[in-house]
Amino acid sequence: EVQLVESGGGLVQPGGSLRLSCAASGFTFSNYAMNWVRQAPGKGLEWVSYISSSGTMIYYADSVKGRFTISRDSAKNSLFLHMNSLRVEDTAVFYCARGELRGVALSVDYWGQGTLVTVSS
Amino acid sequence: QAVLTQPASLSASPGASASLTCTLRSGINVGTYRIYWYQQKPGSPPQYLLRYRSDSDKQQGSGVPSRFSGSKDASANTGILLISGLQSEDEADYYCMIWHSSAWVFGGGTKLTVL
Repeated sequence: EVQLVESGGGLVQPGGSLRLSCAASGFTFSNYAMNWVRQAPGKGLEWVSYISSSGTMIYYADSVKGRFTISRDSAKNSLFLHMNSLRVEDTAVFYCARGELRGVALSVDYWGQGTLVTVSS
Repeated sequence: QAVLTQPASLSASPGASASLTCTLRSGINVGTYRIYWYQQKPGSPPQYLLRYRSDSDKQQGSGVPSRFSGSKDASANTGILLISGLQSEDEADYYCMIWHSSAWVFGGGTKLTVL
């Protein structure tokens, strides 16, 4: 069974930093791309970042470019999101979501339960 | 203008069919995109339903009933999620998504009410 478990959320002041983690199990992590997607309270889904299975291709939403950094550790079956210069508008539930199998069509299928990040003074 | 536009809400009766639309911005041709659909219930993460590009390029999510299906209306530049035989448990938010300009883009979501 595919499982994605996020951690690291919490309350942080504007301008602060936070690192989110996602522990993956139930599939061969190193063969899959991964994504971070967020959802502000009462709002829709917003894609944040993508990292390919090899880690060589990385993309960011314009809203986080230059402030957030995605990374992965396939030896630990883990995905990370380093967030700097946090703003009030970054307040959201952050989801880790599995991307496509290497060599197959792009996709986003399984999602974790999410971790809440609150940016407030 | 948003890349993907979804109606904010839709109501339908149990047992009926509902067509949820996802309109692509002018200049972005629906024919060239795979459209992905997700269902989200309150307090839960999104669940992958299906992706649709054409009848020869489509995928149903694992365990997703066949009464959920995808299609396109090229004349309206729109992707469609059709839910037949509506059940009360289909009441949820539905999001469409495409890969566009090296980014995943979501529609604003449609709240489906079954009453």
